[in-house]
Amino acid sequence: DAKTTQPNSMESNEEEPVHLPCNHSTISGTDYIHWYRQLPSQGPEYVIHGLTSNVNNRMASLAIAEDRKSSTLILHRATLRDAAVYYCILRVLNNAGNMLTFGGGTRLMVKP
Amino acid sequence: DTAVSQTPKYLVTQMGNDKSIKCEQNLGHDTMYWYKQDSKKFLKIMFSYNNKELIINETVPNRFSPKSPDKAHLNLHINSLELGDSAVYFCASSPQTGGATQYFGPGTRLTVL
Repeated sequence: DAKTTQPNSMESNEEEPVHLPCNHSTISGTDYIHWYRQLPSQGPEYVIHGLTSNVNNRMASLAIAEDRKSSTLILHRATLRDAAVYYCILRVLNNAGNMLTFGGGTRLMVKP
Repeated sequence: DTAVSQTPKYLVTQMGNDKSIKCEQNLGHDTMYWYKQDSKKFLKIMFSYNNKELIINETVPNRFSPKSPDKAHLNLHINSLELGDSAVYFCASSPQTGGATQYFGPGTRLTVL
């Protein structure tokens, strides 16, 4: 299974942009790049996903490298509510179904 | 209204007991999942059901038996509970087997004494 590598933790100041990196050098052509986050004492929450092109939604932006071996989740203005563990996941779509394999994620701390 | 709900939120029990965790989704999704998050915070998929049929069973001991009475419910029954079963269990659902987004429940914290 393709795996991802993320920094264990990152810090940000409130109201500033945050760039969360993810390496996935063994990604295959059909693997989608997904980002989920988990706030304290809650279940994971979908953030964004993409295949090749950069993506924007109301929560964040996803920048995908041209070779697809890395991606960056961008929070444009971090708030205290964005403090969470952010997971970069490669969604493998096969006959077994919709597999999400979570790694260790990046713990984002937001300072006021 | 809660999209994916689980009961109970907390479950404390003795080793050797049998317990169940219930999950319901009101999103009309076809596929439901159970994940386990251990003390090191790693989330691992346990089961996936599509329209009441088992799709994925990820090397989970057969003491764990999921049951899907209808496509809106996926309950997890655990027999002969062991200390190592202590974890947070999350239920999730997605629109279809190949669906992009999974919606997670709030979790059930199971503590086995």
